[in-house]
Amino acid sequence: TQLLEQSPQFLSIQEGENLTVYCNSSSVFSSLQWYRQEPGEGPVLLVTVVTGGEVKKLKRLTFQFGDARKDSSLHITAAQPGDTGLYLCAGAGSGTSYGKLTFGQGTILTVHP
Amino acid sequence: KAGVTQTPRYLIKTRGQQVTLSCSPISGHRSVSWYQQTPGQGLQFLFEYFSETQRNKGNFPGRFSGRQFSNSRSEMNVSTLELGDSALYLCASKGGEKLFFGSGTQLSVL
Repeated sequence: TQLLEQSPQFLSIQEGENLTVYCNSSSVFSSLQWYRQEPGEGPVLLVTVVTGGEVKKLKRLTFQFGDARKDSSLHITAAQPGDTGLYLCAGAGSGTSYGKLTFGQGTILTVHP
Repeated sequence: KAGVTQTPRYLIKTRGQQVTLSCSPISGHRSVSWYQQTPGQGLQFLFEYFSETQRNKGNFPGRFSGRQFSNSRSEMNVSTLELGDSALYLCASKGGEKLFFGSGTQLSVL
């Protein structure tokens, strides 16, 4: 069974601070995705990383996939209250459909004005 | 383009009853997946359907079942409800390598 450990579970910071969320596994994933979920809504895909060592940037968000494709990180620069939400990492196993994802437990981020 | 639609939005049932949840995927999407989300376990994969066939199944008891119709709409059924089945049930339709989630059905079992 593939597991994804996400840390920290909770993050409460002030507007303007930087933060990093980690997603680790002992298993190799063919790709990792990051989602953001707001209360009362389903998760929304932010990014997919596929290649080991890959780095993708989405405005103030930077996503990295580990060289061995077992871990990933999400870094937010100068966080804003609008970044508040639940951040989830999700992995697709080798040969597995993207419809069947293994999710981490999530990181609840609160950014205070 | 309309998003993924799940109905109903909220459901309250009692132990022992059964429930059917519905999901209409994004037009043109043929793959539908179901996930259960709870505070303790997070998001867990239930099953995936593609062109009316179950393609993948998660580690849930046989009380959880699903099906997909020729128009790609999907339903999931939970029989003999237990208190632990209280959760947000999310449906997602797949377009390429992207999953698009609905807002979910919040099921409460009393």
